[in-house]
Amino acid sequence: KAGVTQTPRYLIKTRGQQVTLSCSPISGHRSVSWYQQTPGQGLQFLFEYFSETQRNKGNFPGRFSGRQFSNSRSEMNVSTLELGDSALYLCASSFQLAGGLDEQFFGPGTRLTVL
Amino acid sequence: AQSVTQLGSHVSVSEGALVLLRCNYSSSVPPYLFWYVQYPNQGLQLLLKYTTGATLVKGINGFEAEFKKSETSFHLTKPSAHMSDAAEYFCAVTERGSQGNLIFGKGTKLSVKP
Repeated sequence: KAGVTQTPRYLIKTRGQQVTLSCSPISGHRSVSWYQQTPGQGLQFLFEYFSETQRNKGNFPGRFSGRQFSNSRSEMNVSTLELGDSALYLCASSFQLAGGLDEQFFGPGTRLTVL
Repeated sequence: AQSVTQLGSHVSVSEGALVLLRCNYSSSVPPYLFWYVQYPNQGLQLLLKYTTGATLVKGINGFEAEFKKSETSFHLTKPSAHMSDAAEYFCAVTERGSQGNLIFGKGTKLSVKP
């Protein structure tokens, strides 16, 4: 079974630009979560999507947005990039049985550098 | 609000020595607890998790952790370190009923000396 894939793996952008990151979950998984990892702040939860609906959201500005498609693939968008947005962005998927807790499987991440 | 504290951002042990990585959590309700490992330029891999039942949890690669409610701790141990254990380790918590939202500690980088 293929794991979680994220594209692109590396990205360089300049301040003010916008960027879209993509995540393909493990086949059959319906939940996709996004995390930002930086040396200073560590791993922080951005948002979680389940069946095309945002179910949870972390404490990030509105410049960070996401969506999920009917095939469970998810995209994350950051508009008006700032230097502080440079980070590793991790996507995780899980099956999410009703009322249960499933392990989150992480992708390798997208390394975003903002110049 | 939930939070996770990992004591020691860097831990160094000799090969064959005991590994002990400390994790304390703060939660108003009994949480689910996790330990993840991250190797350079890779994502996170689940080592073990505690949900309910037995408080001593065994994971992959010889790691185990014990949930101690009275101490709000979930320390990770391995009896004998191997060079391949060198990585960064993250403790995480999520609240029962909360899906897809892991709260992570700052991480502990483990070095293993030959």
